[in-house]
Formats: sequence, C-alpha cells, structure tokens
Amino acid sequence: DGGITQSPKYLFRKEGQNVTLSCEQNLNHDAMYWYRQDPGQGLRLIYYSQIVNDFQKGDIAEGYSVSREKKESFPLTVTSAQKNPTAFYLCASSIERTDWNTEAFFGQGTRLTVV
Amino acid sequence: AQSVTQLDSHVSVSEGTPVLLRCNYSSSYSPSLFWYVQHPNKGLQLLLKYTSAATLVKGINGFEAEFKKSETSFHLTKPSAHMSDAAEYFCVVSANNFNKFYFGSGTKLNVKP
Repeated sequence: DGGITQSPKYLFRKEGQNVTLSCEQNLNHDAMYWYRQDPGQGLRLIYYSQIVNDFQKGDIAEGYSVSREKKESFPLTVTSAQKNPTAFYLCASSIERTDWNTEAFFGQGTRLTVV
Repeated sequence: AQSVTQLDSHVSVSEGTPVLLRCNYSSSYSPSLFWYVQHPNKGLQLLLKYTSAATLVKGINGFEAEFKKSETSFHLTKPSAHMSDAAEYFCVVSANNFNKFYFGSGTKLNVKP
C-alpha cells in the first residue's frame, strides 16, 4: 500500500539532546513537508522540500533542521536550540504543485515529549 | 494573503442530528479549499476538496461542503451525525504558490449518544 510512514510514534527526549524524526513515503511525490501541531493552533509549517537536495524554511524553522537526500525520505531533526519541542509532528507529501488543486497526504504523526 | 478562520473551536451534537462546521477564508487568488479530519493521535485524512468544478462538494462518510464565494465560506455539513464522526476537523486553503497550505485552528466535534 502506498503511503507515508512516520517513526517512531512516540519519542521521549532529554533536554539538551538532538532527536531525529523519520518520514518515508512511497507515493512517488516530489514535495514533502513537516508540520508541528499544538492544541488549539492548527498546523504550522516547519520546513518543506520540492525536490531532492533542496528545502526551504517554513514559518517556524528555528531550532529544526532537515535533509532531503532521497526522494522518498525527509527526516526532521529537533535540535537543543528548539525551546519548546514538546508537540505532535506531522509529515506530509504531495505531487509537485504545478496547480494548487492538489492535496497533501499525511503520515500518522510522531508525538515528541521532552523529559 | 491567505488565511482560514474556523468559527467554532468545539461543536457538540446528538447522534442522528445534523452537523455544521463553519469555515471562512481569505484569499488573494481563486482558492482551493479542503476539509481534513483527524482522530486522536492520528494523521489527517482528506474528507473533500473544492477545485472550482462545482460549488457543492461531496466527500467521504456522507460529508458535504458548499463553496460560497460571496460569503467567502466553505462550511462542512452532514445530515446525520454518527458516533464515529467525533474527531477534530480542519479547514485548509491553498493559493497558487507552492507549498502554501493554510490551516484553520480546528473544530472538535463531539457526538452525544
């Protein structure tokens, strides 16, 4: 089945540690995204990538980093510089948006908790 | 500029009664509009999307939404709520530049037996 796989589902991190969230898709989509979800705030864009080896900052990129070495993979690293990392993180993908009618497909999310 | 306002953070209905979740948007361009549903600790699933083909859009699980340009609205409706509809719903607008999906803050739907 085609889809987006995020792992792990739950992740605990000690303060001061970096942690990497995995996102893999087998939909052959060019575009991939990372969103952060906090209660009552909807989804906020962290980073996005249109093609391999290219990515752009979203609205809340500070304290995060990404890479896009393969089309199917877009890992997100939450660094120790992120002041409030506890949140639910969602990865998404879409076909290249040559028109804006295409929707995003979402993974099941990773809940990160700083302990 | 693009933005989305979901007018109710919480909606509570009884099973078998109609559902109305309200969404207003702002867009500098002809928008595409989407409704997604999210069950607890899950990803988002597309319910339906408006792509200018028809103003009344039918989605999965009996949901519909009507695009009203004059009112800049895209309200989500369902004639009869089911217990399994209890979830959080997001209205999303996109514009004609890459990646820009604008999310509303969500509406939590509670369905009472």
